[in-house]
Amino acid sequence: QLQLQESGPGLVKPSETLSLTCTVSGGSMSDSAYSWGWIRQPPGKGLEWMGTIYYSGSTYYNPSLDSRLSVSIDTSETQFSLKLTSVTAADTAVYFCARLSYYNNGGFSVDCFDMWGQGKMVTVSS
Amino acid sequence: DIQMTQSPSSLSASVGDRVTITCRASRTISNYVNWYQQRPGKAPNLLIYAASTLQSGVPSRFSGSASGTLFTLTISSLQPEDFATYYCQQSYTTPNTFGQGTRLDIK
Repeated sequence: QLQLQESGPGLVKPSETLSLTCTVSGGSMSDSAYSWGWIRQPPGKGLEWMGTIYYSGSTYYNPSLDSRLSVSIDTSETQFSLKLTSVTAADTAVYFCARLSYYNNGGFSVDCFDMWGQGKMVTVSS
Repeated sequence: DIQMTQSPSSLSASVGDRVTITCRASRTISNYVNWYQQRPGKAPNLLIYAASTLQSGVPSRFSGSASGTLFTLTISSLQPEDFATYYCQQSYTTPNTFGQGTRLDIK
């Protein structure tokens, strides 16, 4: 059974870089049937898609994060990571990593986040 | 960006009730809508993808439908474990966007 687990610091100072890693176990990350993403949730608020790294290596980021976000993948280590620079208090949130799966539905391909990590709370504070 | 307007934002219901949650997209997105359930302190769990396809292992009391830009999640007979927050998400284009969420409480 595939499992995802976020890890990294729970406290980051303002203006510094937030770095998280998602470790994937029980399955391979190199399968082209999957891509990998990060979603966050500020306390008491809704979900925000941050970015996705596709099996091809291409990345797509939420424009709201400007150029602060980067996502990379290391298939040999079964991990992928997130780096968010110049953080502020507004970046305080639970950060989830997730698997993006593709399904053939009536002849067209749809994608959805079908496996999630438990989430990592990150607080930005001095 | 495509906006997903979800309603209601909160809902109180009783065990056994039929409940409907809607999500309206700001433009045509075919059937590229997914629904997730999130219990307090837990990660979201995929319920439905492609507007109406039930994810494996999800009880059949959950169903989804689409009509134009309006998407609906229905729970036919509420069970105690269904009291949670529900989110729609469009996967038609990036940035993928979620609805604001619907909190379903016990009446």
